Amino acid sequence: EVQLVESGGGLVRPGGSLRLSCAASGFTFSSYEMNWVRQAPGKGLEWVSYISSSGSRIYYADSVKGRFTISRDNARNSLYLQMNSLRAEDTAVYYCAKDYGCDYWGQGTLVTVSS
Amino acid sequence: QSVLTQPPSASGTPGQRVTISCSGSSSNIGSNTVNWYQQLPGTAPKLLLYTNSQRPSGVPDRFSGSKSGTSASLAISGLRSEDEADYYCAAWDDTLHGPAFGGGTKLTVL
Repeated sequence: EVQLVESGGGLVRPGGSLRLSCAASGFTFSSYEMNWVRQAPGKGLEWVSYISSSGSRIYYADSVKGRFTISRDNARNSLYLQMNSLRAEDTAVYYCAKDYGCDYWGQGTLVTVSS
Repeated sequence: QSVLTQPPSASGTPGQRVTISCSGSSSNIGSNTVNWYQQLPGTAPKLLLYTNSQRPSGVPDRFSGSKSGTSASLAISGLRSEDEADYYCAAWDDTLHGPAFGGGTKLTVL
């Protein structure tokens, strides 16, 4: 059974940093592309970042480019999102999603940016 | 402003058939397949349809999808109260290099 478990969310002040993790199991993690997708309170889904299976190809939404860094550790079956220079508008539930088509999602981790 | 365009709301009575539209462009729906997701209140999105019209195991055949040009649609027949949820369309976008999502449609079962 595919499982994705996010962690690392919390309350952070504007300008602060946070590192999200996504632990994957139930599939061959190293064979699949991964995405981070976020959902602001009461809003729709917004793609944040993509990473290829090997980590050689990485893309970001314009809204986070230069501030967020996606990475993965295939030996640890883990996906990461380093978030710097956080803004109030980054407040959202952050989901990791498997494959370019986002066929499986984690339960999400809430990031709140507030002073 | 979402990349793909969906109506914000839809509604129907039990047993009815409802459709939800999703409009995009040549860089997303026009050149890639469409997925649909169902998000029940307080839960993560769940894949409902993939590759325009394919149902993952466990999804009832009441749910169907189609795509034409730069638009797609989701149809739900025999509407049930448990179908009340938010529905999102998505397609890989060759310009974004990531999945483009619709703004979501809140389905109400009257």
